Amino acid sequence: SYDLTQPPSVSVSPGQTARITCSGDALPKQYAYWYQLKPGQAPVLVIYKDSEKSSGIPERFSGSSSGTTVTLTISGVQTEDEADYFCQSVDSSSTYVLFGGGTKLTVL
Amino acid sequence: QVQLQESGPGLVQPSETLSLTCTVSGGSISGSYWTWIRRPPEKGLEWIGYIFFNGSTHYDPSLESRVTMSVDTSKNQFSLRLSSVTAADTAVYYCARDDRTTDAFDIWGQGTMVTVSS
Repeated sequence: SYDLTQPPSVSVSPGQTARITCSGDALPKQYAYWYQLKPGQAPVLVIYKDSEKSSGIPERFSGSSSGTTVTLTISGVQTEDEADYFCQSVDSSSTYVLFGGGTKLTVL
Repeated sequence: QVQLQESGPGLVQPSETLSLTCTVSGGSISGSYWTWIRRPPEKGLEWIGYIFFNGSTHYDPSLESRVTMSVDTSKNQFSLRLSSVTAADTAVYYCARDDRTTDAFDIWGQGTMVTVSS
């Protein structure tokens, strides 16, 4: 099991909005980060500190936080956004790194 | 542009020690934290631990008894050793930079698949 909970899969059509959630008790106190993983490629940092966009990330990606849940939103999804997305944070004492179980985004 | 590249054997015998190296290019290993993360097949990411350029380390408690990380600043490399491996240690292993200004893993290697099997 994971201390951060993500839906296993999200499916959207091109041009729609995809929302991937991540829930955890530590999230009200700790920042969340989002990573994009595609087969055979180096993982990419998408969002840091809940809502800051990493360098080179398209405008359609955004992050938000509310209580124990953080959300990665992709507005106007494109086929190249199909990937696994993982949220990451740290435990409440800032000692250990936590990852969510990952969400497979399918662009139909 | 800093880049990371993992290297090491793709097959390790059960009960043996897994050894991987991450080479940092395009920048210096000094001044930064460096981490290892893995992804078992059909599973999520698992943080293994980090090493600072001066050699100080911090490991995940679930692996702490079997993990050793080291750094070689002269070669701009850092390494992972995981002892007494089992099939459960089969995974893609990634090295990454732990950027303390953003507290994020901002640069990753492409990963290397390690299979534990006889």
